Amino acid sequence: EIVMTQSPATLSVSPGERVALSCRASQSIRSDLAWYQQKPGQAPRLLIYAASTRATGIPARFSGSGSGTEFTLTISSLQSEDFAVYYCQQYNNWPPYIFGQGTKLEIK
Amino acid sequence: QVTLKESGPVLVKPTETLTLTCTVSGFSLNNPRMGVSWIRQPPGKALEWLALIFSTDEKSYSPSLKSRLTISKDTSKSQVVLTMTNMDPVDTATYYCARVVDLRWFDSWGQGTLVTVSS
Repeated sequence: EIVMTQSPATLSVSPGERVALSCRASQSIRSDLAWYQQKPGQAPRLLIYAASTRATGIPARFSGSGSGTEFTLTISSLQSEDFAVYYCQQYNNWPPYIFGQGTKLEIK
Repeated sequence: QVTLKESGPVLVKPTETLTLTCTVSGFSLNNPRMGVSWIRQPPGKALEWLALIFSTDEKSYSPSLKSRLTISKDTSKSQVVLTMTNMDPVDTATYYCARVVDLRWFDSWGQGTLVTVSS
């Protein structure tokens, strides 16, 4: 079973800053990776699929990169509404679909 | 507009069977590119994928929970049903249903339903 490792677990940042969140797979998953955003009390929302394709309606400040085992979600200029938990998910080798443990973005 | 909505009991007792229903709208369960999955999230923890049913009626389960899960669909009612047997307090979680595209990513999610397992 593939293991997805996200780092760091928590990131304290200020609005307006640029931030990069990391997701690592225990074996190559090509570009078969999605990113989700989850705010408290809400369901996850799809941000990125195929490692770098923004989902419908996702602002351009969100970008994804990487392939193989190393992936990054970058938010170019943090807005107040971006403080949330972010999850990566692999779909290269399933079942099971595996999510990472999440990175929480909190206000510094 | 695609929507999914979970329904089911909020409280179940240990050893009981949980039955959850996901009612979808805005797409057909017969759409060849679409399926529906169940995913859960214990309070304060990460997401865990449970099961999938695709348009062809292909089904897939989490290996660690396979013996306890059954997923099915009623296309005429636009519903997907998940049953989980032998519930335990560790199964306390918010249960989500989500649309899966091309057996890959989850592009639309229900609001989730919190299920507590307690005697």
